[in-house]
Amino acid sequence: QVTLKESGPVLVKPTETLTLTCTVSGFSLSNARMGVSWIRQPPGKALEWLAHIFSNDEKSYSTSLKSRLTISKDTSKSQVVLTMTNMDPVDTATYYCARIEVVMVWFDPWGQGTLVTVSS
Amino acid sequence: DIVMTQSPDSLAVSLGERATINCKSSQSVLYSSNNKNYLAWYQQKPGQPPKLLIYWASTRESGVPDRFSGSGSGTDFTLTISSLQAEDVAVYYCQQYYSTQVTFGQGTRLEIK
Repeated sequence: QVTLKESGPVLVKPTETLTLTCTVSGFSLSNARMGVSWIRQPPGKALEWLAHIFSNDEKSYSTSLKSRLTISKDTSKSQVVLTMTNMDPVDTATYYCARIEVVMVWFDPWGQGTLVTVSS
Repeated sequence: DIVMTQSPDSLAVSLGERATINCKSSQSVLYSSNNKNYLAWYQQKPGQPPKLLIYWASTRESGVPDRFSGSGSGTDFTLTISSLQAEDVAVYYCQQYYSTQVTFGQGTRLEIK
């Protein structure tokens, strides 16, 4: 059974850096076809793709957020880490990680998500 | 970026009736080399993460009831629920993966009339 679980702070202050971890099980981050994406959803709003990383370390970022995002993986720990710098209240959202495959970049399954609030 | 526009924004349908949600992309998501449309549909119920329903525009994910179907090609796509059940109340999203810049539609809220 494939599962993903997000972890990180529930509250960050404006200008701080957010670090989120996605811990996966049921598949390996070293599998040639596998990858993990991060997606976020502000309360009551639509989904927004942020970034993804594949087993060969190929990375892709949302052009609108590229300057603030870094994605990395630790295959031995089965973890994918997303950092977002210079957090702002508009970044308040539920952050999800999800599995993807090369070429077949649909998201399945998703983690339960973690709500991050940006407030002083 | 490819802009995905769904219509309507919200929809109320009677139980047992057909529900139709549309999704239009600002450019074609059909790859001519393999004749596949790089489009997926998701269902999101309150307090839950989205759930994959359809990929390649019309391929139903394993375990998804056959009352859900996807159709369309190029820039115009449709998600159809043939006979609405109470458990289908949710927000539905389309998503394109033709571009490395993955984008979602704004969502369509489906309710019972």
